[in-house]
Amino acid sequence: GAVVSQHPSRVICKSGTSVKIECRSLDFQATTMFWYRQFPKQSLMLMATSNEGSKATYEQGVEKDKFLINHASLTLSTLTVTSAHPEDSSFYICSARWVKIDNEQFFGPGTRLTVL
Amino acid sequence: GQNIDQPTEMTATEGAIVQINCTYQTSGFNGLFWYQQHAGEAPTFLSYNVLDGLEEKGRFSSFLSRSKGYSYLLLKELQMKDSASYLCAVMDSNYQLIWGAGTKLIIKP
Repeated sequence: GAVVSQHPSRVICKSGTSVKIECRSLDFQATTMFWYRQFPKQSLMLMATSNEGSKATYEQGVEKDKFLINHASLTLSTLTVTSAHPEDSSFYICSARWVKIDNEQFFGPGTRLTVL
Repeated sequence: GQNIDQPTEMTATEGAIVQINCTYQTSGFNGLFWYQQHAGEAPTFLSYNVLDGLEEKGRFSSFLSRSKGYSYLLLKELQMKDSASYLCAVMDSNYQLIWGAGTKLIIKP
């Protein structure tokens, strides 16, 4: 099956620092990748949709200058949380779409970010 | 607006059957997905329905009625490991997933 990896799985950082999260599709080419954020006991919240070679499309209320997304290749997308603050602490999940399988999205294992 | 409704929490007994309902109102429809999510983990795919009817996959089945904007996930022979949140998501006309808030399923011995 299609596998999506995410790195790191867990990160703890100080307030004001930047954190980069990588999302890779390991055995398929993903023309579209999605970045989600999930707070405890809440559902997934789409942050942005990332298409290879073009600028990401951000959802309303998501600061594009704070959450930088780079989709440099068909297998790699990165999310950089710039100048992180404690309120950015959350579970960040990426997914990749492979249109050959009914438009299903394959999820990475997620990254737990804790900002002190 | 777009809306996905599912119960917040359900409780069932090990070995029993449980049905988790999902109703939706979206701009366009390109299929309905069910995902399972254990605490602290990413969602895992369970099922996909785009046509009306029942899709069976082992202990899990999913039903769709597009005219009613309704789906359910049926879990049979419940096991303790089935304790998780179950997320209903609809793909809209822009091929974007609209997510429900999830149903937390608690399995009791």
